[in-house]
Amino acid sequence: QLQLQESGPGLVKPSETLALTCTVSGGSISSSGYYWGWVRQSPGKGLEWIGSIYYSGTTYYNPSLKSRVTISVDASKNQFSLRLTSVTAADTAVYFCARRDSAIVTWGQGTLVTVSS
Amino acid sequence: EIVMTQSPATLSVSPGERVTLSCRASQSVSVSLGWYQQKPGQAPRLLIYGASTRATGVPARFSGSGSGTYFTLTITSLQSEDFAVYYCQQYHNWPLTFGGGTKVEI
Repeated sequence: QLQLQESGPGLVKPSETLALTCTVSGGSISSSGYYWGWVRQSPGKGLEWIGSIYYSGTTYYNPSLKSRVTISVDASKNQFSLRLTSVTAADTAVYFCARRDSAIVTWGQGTLVTVSS
Repeated sequence: EIVMTQSPATLSVSPGERVTLSCRASQSVSVSLGWYQQKPGQAPRLLIYGASTRATGVPARFSGSGSGTYFTLTITSLQSEDFAVYYCQQYHNWPLTFGGGTKVEI
């Protein structure tokens, strides 16, 4: 059974870089046909797609975040990562990693990242 | 960017009732539409994909319909565990976009 687990700092200072990793177990990140990505949810708000990376390495980003976001894959570790630069309080959210087949079938449990000095 | 609009924002219902949630897309997404259920403190759970196909393990009381720009999620005979927030999402075009959610409450 495929499982995803987010990890990374729970507190990031304003203007710094948020960096999260998603570890994939129960399946290979190199399997064809899947998109690996990130979705966030600000406290009390709805879901916002951040971006996705295809198994081939092609990336897709939310235009509203594109200038600050990088998603990458480390196949040797069966992990993928999110980097979000120049964070502000508005980036405080629960960050979910996810695998998309057509719709998003598999989600991590989510990790809260707070941006505060 | 395709804008997804859900209505109503909140739905107050009683157990056993039938409920219908609506989702409208700003342009056609064909049937590239998913519905998710989210309970407090949990990750979203996929209920429906392809506008009308139930995901694995989803009870038959959940059904989806629609195509193009208008979609509905129907829950027949609402159970206590169904009280949650429901989101629609289009995956027809990048960027992926979610609706604002409908909260189903007692």
